[in-house]
Amino acid sequence: NAGVTQTPKFRVLKTGQSMTLLCAQDMNHEYMYWYRQDPGMGLRLIHYSVGEGTTAKGEVPDGYNVSRLKKQNFLLGLESAAPSQTSVYFCASSYSRGLNTEAFFGQGTRLTVV
Amino acid sequence: GIQVEQSPPDLILQEGANSTLRCNFSDSVNNLQWFHQNPWGQLINLFYIPSGTKQNGRLSATTVATERYSLLYISSSQTTDSGVYFCAAHHGGGGNNRKLIWGLGTSLAVNP
Repeated sequence: NAGVTQTPKFRVLKTGQSMTLLCAQDMNHEYMYWYRQDPGMGLRLIHYSVGEGTTAKGEVPDGYNVSRLKKQNFLLGLESAAPSQTSVYFCASSYSRGLNTEAFFGQGTRLTVV
Repeated sequence: GIQVEQSPPDLILQEGANSTLRCNFSDSVNNLQWFHQNPWGQLINLFYIPSGTKQNGRLSATTVATERYSLLYISSSQTTDSGVYFCAAHHGGGGNNRKLIWGLGTSLAVNP
């Protein structure tokens, strides 16, 4: 049982390049999220998904796109990377029903845009 | 929306000491989690504790939902406890309302 797995763990991009971050979870969770963490600012929600085939914007969605073609996978895309997107990215997942809404996080992806 | 405040912002301990970290939140919650972010950046789930008390080894947590605070206790601290401790909460709903609101963390350094 791997939990939440993110790929890759590290990446350096040049300004204007594109890339996709992959998040996979094996807990059959309906909800999945992408956050970014910047120094002194905690984690901020980029996009989220409440189920397969659905996505929605979080609080800092600009410059990112997402897709949830399969329940277990949630992809985060950067079409044209900018230095402001240098950050640590975390994926998370949780159940949608019942009282237990505990979120589980992946190990993070450290992205540097130069 | 809900606001989460943590104290103290920084803490230095000698190995073996005990400590209490506090998390205040501005509204009722149905999810309150404590995380440890280790020096390698990994976020480790410590407790899911919207109310009550839980213990896991040297760590325990108590949330008093009616008074809108949670405490994380670390006993007999070890150098491996170093890192940043976050609490995060949300107060219900689905989707965007399910997003966790994070405190700014308590940075803990345990010296040998």
